[in-house]
This record gives sequence, structure tokens and C-alpha cells, in this order.
Amino acid sequence: EVQLVESGGGLVQPGGSLRLSCAASGFTFSSYWMSWVRQAPGKGLEWVANIKQDGSEKYYVDSVKGRFTISRDNAKNSLYLQMNSLRAEDTAVYYCANDPMDVWGKGTTVTVSS
Amino acid sequence: DVVMTQSPLSLPVTLGQPASISCRSSQSLVHSDGNTYLNWFQQRPGQSPRRLIYKVSNRDSGVPDRFSGSGSGTDFTLKISRVEAEDVGVYYCMQGTHWPHLTFGGGTKVEIK
Repeated sequence: EVQLVESGGGLVQPGGSLRLSCAASGFTFSSYWMSWVRQAPGKGLEWVANIKQDGSEKYYVDSVKGRFTISRDNAKNSLYLQMNSLRAEDTAVYYCANDPMDVWGKGTTVTVSS
Repeated sequence: DVVMTQSPLSLPVTLGQPASISCRSSQSLVHSDGNTYLNWFQQRPGQSPRRLIYKVSNRDSGVPDRFSGSGSGTDFTLKISRVEAEDVGVYYCMQGTHWPHLTFGGGTKVEIK
């Protein structure tokens, strides 16, 4: 079964850090660009970052540049999102998805609050 | 950056009646390779998004044929020929032409009257 499973979300104070993980199975993870997409409470979808198959190219939405880092470990079929200097506006459900976005995980919730 | 604008924001529909959602982009979505990378997603309440349509009009596997996509350039439409109860949710368009920066529309909430 093709599957993506996110983990690592939680409650963190403003200025804090979290590392999200996404475990892939059922498809050749190393063949795909991968993305993180987030959804703030009651809001729409926002693409956050993506990464090339070999990790050599990474792109970010402007609002997270310099604070978030996307990475992957193809040997472990895993995608990561290191989130630093977190802000209240980063509160959201974070999904990982492949590119072409036909496989999504169930998401992990990040809450930034004091 | 490309801005994707959907309308309407909310779409109350009677069961069995058609529904239509519009998506407009601020720039042409025709890629230099000739393809137009415009996708549609469905997000049912409490669920993850699911891709329904890719490259304007291609239905994903398992998507009922009552869903259809059309359009070109900057104007696109998702149509549901006869709305069923399971179609309730929020629908998003997304451009992948100006990749790697992807952009979603704001969403259209489909509900039953």
C-alpha cells in the first residue's frame, strides 16, 4: 500500500523548534520530488517547501525561508522538515506529499503558543 | 508569484444537481513543454486532500466520471455533473506550471442545500 505517515508535531513556544518526519512506503521514494504543505486552522492549503530526488535542490515559500529546512534520507525512505524560530502563524496541520501530489499523508499538527 | 483565485467561496447545491467551480490564475499556466499543470483537489471534512484531476482534465484513478475539468491559459473549471452526498467538502485548484513554487487557490466549500 502506498503510504506517507507524518510525525513530530506538537505544542511549542514561540521562538522554539520542531522537527517533522514523514515515512514513505509502497512506492519508490527516491524517484520523487517531495513537498511539505500546511493548512492553518480553518484555512486553505499552502505549499511550504519541496526537495529534489537527491536532495540537491530545495525551495521554500517566502514566509519560511531562513527558518525552515527540508531534507530527506532516501536510505530510510524519509522526508524531514526542521522548523526553527517558530511563530504563531506557523500553527497548522503539516502534510507531506509526493510531487505530482497524488499521495498525501494524514498530517501532523503543529501548535505554536505560549 | 502566481496567484490562484477561486470562485465562489461557498457553493450550496441540491443533491443530483450540477455544480461548477471556477479557478483563475494571474499568469498563463501553459508550460514551455506545452502542458498545462493545473490540478484539482478534494478535501472531505476531517480528511487529507485527494487529487481528483491533473493537467486540467485528466481524472485520477478511482475518481467518478461525474467530475470533469476544463479550461486553458488562465481560466479553469471543475464541474460535478450530479452532486452526491459524498462530494461535500472543500475543493482546491493548484498550479504546478511555475514549479517548483506551487500555488493553491483559496478553496471552494461545497455543501448540500
